[in-house]
Amino acid sequence: KAGVTQTPRYLIKTRGQQVTLSCSPISGHRSVSWYQQTPGQGLQFLFEYFSETQRNKGNFPGRFSGRQFSNSRSEMNVSTLELGDSALYLCASSLDFEQFFGPGTRLTVL
Amino acid sequence: GENVEQHPSTLSVQEGDSAVIKCTYSDSASNYFPWYKQELGKGPQLIIDIRSNVGEKKDQRIAVTLNKTAKHFSLHITETQPEDSAVYFCAASINSGYALNFGKGTSLLVTP
Repeated sequence: KAGVTQTPRYLIKTRGQQVTLSCSPISGHRSVSWYQQTPGQGLQFLFEYFSETQRNKGNFPGRFSGRQFSNSRSEMNVSTLELGDSALYLCASSLDFEQFFGPGTRLTVL
Repeated sequence: GENVEQHPSTLSVQEGDSAVIKCTYSDSASNYFPWYKQELGKGPQLIIDIRSNVGEKKDQRIAVTLNKTAKHFSLHITETQPEDSAVYFCAASINSGYALNFGKGTSLLVTP
């Protein structure tokens, strides 16, 4: 069974730009959650989608948004990038409480 | 938001010894407590989990205990091996849905 895939794996952007990250969950999983991982703040929850609806949202500014498609694939978007947005963005899919993580997208903002 | 505190932040043990990592949480509604292992360049990997109606769970060399009254849970690794070296994260479920609040992580080093 294929695991969670995230694209792209690495991304370099400049301040003020926007970025879209993609996540394909494990087949059959309807929940997709996104997390930001930084050395200083650790793993922080961004948002969770279930059957195309946002079910939970973390404490991040409105520049961070996401969506889920009917095939459960999910995208997250960050607009007006700031230096502090440099991080590893992780996607996790789940059928029940058990969350399975992808390898992440490493975003660097210059 | 609700917090999960994890300690120690670093732990060094000799091969064959046991390692214990402890976490506390503040959200009374949390009912699911997983532990993840993250190796360099990879996403976190689920190694064991426990639900609020269970006090202890064991899987080979790994065990987790939960004290809901005190709001703390612990990971125990016995007979540690060098390949156990990694960063370990505890987490607690967020009120509804499957989202998680994570601890800051413990960097475990097992020396031969």
